[in-house]
Amino acid sequence: QQPVQSPQAVILREGEDAVINCSSSKALYSVHWYRQKHGEAPVFLMILLKGGEQKGHEKISASFNEKKQQSSLYLTASQLSYSGTYFCGTGGMDSNYQLIWGAGTKLIIKP
Amino acid sequence: KAGVTQTPRYLIKTRGQQVTLSCSPISGHRSVSWYQQTPGQGLQFLFEYFSETQRNKGNFPGRFSGRQFSNSRSEMNVSTLELGDSALYLCASSQQSGGNTEAFFGQGTRLTVV
Repeated sequence: QQPVQSPQAVILREGEDAVINCSSSKALYSVHWYRQKHGEAPVFLMILLKGGEQKGHEKISASFNEKKQQSSLYLTASQLSYSGTYFCGTGGMDSNYQLIWGAGTKLIIKP
Repeated sequence: KAGVTQTPRYLIKTRGQQVTLSCSPISGHRSVSWYQQTPGQGLQFLFEYFSETQRNKGNFPGRFSGRQFSNSRSEMNVSTLELGDSALYLCASSQQSGGNTEAFFGQGTRLTVV
């Protein structure tokens, strides 16, 4: 089952914060986050593995709550360059799993 | 190092025709995955190849097939094209199989079926 991302879209002013959520109905082993700008390839942001580890990448960080089967991506003091569509990919417990991707969250940052 | 290269970038085909898309992974990467991307649907997994073997397959009809060569380059073929096959097709390469490692995506091939 496809993970559910929320919100579907969000518009922010530069400098504001955003949270993007990714929820799955299945037990998760990993969550991947990617950003795709219009007309470009998706770009890797981070992987979170089972264990609730929180990771950071400049002003972008994420958490993974395996009990709740969800992950959240935090963008603080957003910059214009953060605009794009954010996808989460979830991996199950099967050692031979493939990622299942959410439908994406479109983030628009205005000056 | 060079990134993932997909060719062609754009393609227009007629319903009923067949098409072959190509993906050259990053040097040293043995895993290539293919995805179909349509507006609002995110990334739909087609299949993954690792060391010339198909490791995983998504829920797509048999008209969608692929293969991987000894140099890890991969091709995807779609036969008897339908209008609904119009989409952006992305390939991603990674060092290992499965979904546990970072994937590097190509720019994609935009297929339009008319």
